[in-house]
Amino acid sequence: GQNIDQPTEMTATEGAIVQINCTYQTSGFNGLFWYQQHAGEAPTFLSYNVLDGLEEKGRFSSFLSRSKGYSYLLLKELQMKDSASYLCAVSGSGGSYIPTFGRGTSLIVHP
Amino acid sequence: ETGVTQTPRHLVMGMTNKKSLKCEQHLGHNAMYWYKQSAKKPLELMFVYNFKEQTENNSVPSRFSPECPNSSHLFLHLHTLQPEDSALYLCASSQNRVPSADTQYFGPGTRLTVL
Repeated sequence: GQNIDQPTEMTATEGAIVQINCTYQTSGFNGLFWYQQHAGEAPTFLSYNVLDGLEEKGRFSSFLSRSKGYSYLLLKELQMKDSASYLCAVSGSGGSYIPTFGRGTSLIVHP
Repeated sequence: ETGVTQTPRHLVMGMTNKKSLKCEQHLGHNAMYWYKQSAKKPLELMFVYNFKEQTENNSVPSRFSPECPNSSHLFLHLHTLQPEDSALYLCASSQNRVPSADTQYFGPGTRLTVL
């Protein structure tokens, strides 16, 4: 079966750093997506990792270890507007290029 | 604004009603998708269209009927729904059915409540 795990909820303080983990056990892998979804809004693309290692985009970075079936999204210098749900999705699961999504991690940033 | 619009944004319907959800993408993409998002559950893929042809039906009940008249428009026709069908229905598009190099762009969703 396909299994993608993320913590349900996390809280952090404005200005801090937070790491959201995602582990996956899938029968195929092409790449891993991270999306951000604010309440009542569309998910928006953050990153796509194909190879092992860390990719940095401004305040957000995403890491992938294919051998460990593990990824994380790192958010630095947290802002209140970063309060949102963060969705991990694996492409290639079950032989399909269409991403399979995890349940999402709800991040709450407080002052 | 992602370039994908959905109407209506909110819909309340009875179990005997027939309604339709509409999705339009202004990105020139070739693939379009319907997803269901329920509380505390992962996004569930429902249907995929590529160049107007349905390529995936993820074991969706027949009370949900998709229609794709052209590459820019996607509909989801609803009839005799159940209360457990209440959820956020998201439309997405991508350049083609292989999003390994192209990401999916999502619409804001239609919040559906079935009474």
